[in-house]
Amino acid sequence: AQSVSQHNHHVILSEAASLELGCNYSYGGTVNLFWYVQYPGQHLQLLLKYFSGDPLVKGIKGFEAEFIKSKFSFNLRKPSVQWSDTAEYFCAVNARGNEKLTFGTGTRLTIIP
Amino acid sequence: DTGVSQDPRHKITKRGQNVTFRCDPISEHNRLYWYRQTLGQGPEFLTYFQNEAQLEKSRLLSDRFSAERPKGSFSTLEIQRTEQGDSAMYLCASSQGAGGPDGIQYFGAGTRLSVL
Repeated sequence: AQSVSQHNHHVILSEAASLELGCNYSYGGTVNLFWYVQYPGQHLQLLLKYFSGDPLVKGIKGFEAEFIKSKFSFNLRKPSVQWSDTAEYFCAVNARGNEKLTFGTGTRLTIIP
Repeated sequence: DTGVSQDPRHKITKRGQNVTFRCDPISEHNRLYWYRQTLGQGPEFLTYFQNEAQLEKSRLLSDRFSAERPKGSFSTLEIQRTEQGDSAMYLCASSQGAGGPDGIQYFGAGTRLSVL
């Protein structure tokens, strides 16, 4: 069975700081990888995804993530955060050909103006 | 709005009562998913449909839970004889499926269930 670990439960940063949120997954086969974001009071929205190809993927709002297969990692990064990035961030994975998404426990990001 | 729609947004019920939630997926999405999210956790997969066929059920889905998608469009999730442990956010998502252009699951706002 696949699993996802997000080691940072709550991250607090000042505006303009750089961000990196960790995500590691456990699964031996080929996977699709996702980062979803949930802004306060809103539904889960897709931030970015990796299916295949270039392991560095770019998403909306200046976010990017890098898939490192050897480390089973898919860390999320942003060079300069804004107050509006305050949200909960979820890493998710599904095995190729399997519809079930497995989510991590989420990282709450608080940006201080 | 053409996103995933869930109704009601919040349901309060007494232990032992039955509740039913509805999900309307994005039109033309043939796959529909149910997840449950408890406080401090990520969403956990419950079940999914391709058109009207229920193709996978999690072990989290006890006998008190039943989901249907009778015409391959909207879906309902029923919980019978609710327990306090059923209190959670129930999320619905839809996608065009593995054969579609992106395979991305789009989520609704969820139904928050509170069992007293």
